[in-house]
Amino acid sequence: GDSVTQMEGPVTLSEEAFLTINCTYTATGYPSLFWYVQYPGEGLQLLLKATKADDKGSNKGFEATYRKETTSFHLEKGSVQVSDSAVYFCALGGGGGNKLTFGTGTQLKVEL
Amino acid sequence: DADVTQTPRNRITKTGKRIMLECSQTKGHDRMYWYRQDPGLGLRLIYYSFDVKDINKGEISDGYSVSRQAQAKFSLSLESAIPNQTALYFCATSPGTGGAVSNQPQHFGDGTRLSIL
Repeated sequence: GDSVTQMEGPVTLSEEAFLTINCTYTATGYPSLFWYVQYPGEGLQLLLKATKADDKGSNKGFEATYRKETTSFHLEKGSVQVSDSAVYFCALGGGGGNKLTFGTGTQLKVEL
Repeated sequence: DADVTQTPRNRITKTGKRIMLECSQTKGHDRMYWYRQDPGLGLRLIYYSFDVKDINKGEISDGYSVSRQAQAKFSLSLESAIPNQTALYFCATSPGTGGAVSNQPQHFGDGTRLSIL
């Protein structure tokens, strides 16, 4: 079945550092890929998405490119801020019935 | 006001009790979902509903039941709670139109933290 693998956290960075959170997936067919962000005490919010190979999703300085050849959707940001501290989930949409398959989440801590 | 509202936000109860978690939405979405979140496991789908007359089991439905009372309301019940159902529960919604189902992002409530002693 479908699955998503994310790098384990927590990831701790200094403000203005470069961020990469790795995400790889296994799926049949042509899934859509998503990154969600969860701030403390809140639900998940859609950060960005890509629906086909080579698409790049971007939002709030974050980017991720749908790489079918490597089955990856790594999240990147050039310069993180303290306010980016949160848990980030990679997710795959596919299969019958709009099911989202989530990775286990990666906690990001950004320090001054 | 939040688009997807979950009540209660926190609940502590005892083993064997019946519990209902409620979700209401003002987004006008047809599709609604219940997930649970556990540390190190991400989110897992419990039940989902594509309209008022459509209810489907997710990957971990045992021990849970749901009711879709209206387009805007979707409740989750634990008939006889047990400690391993202690978790953070999320309700989510997505549109019923506008493209392939798998392309639609889901919109989440703020969660219900449930502790079963």
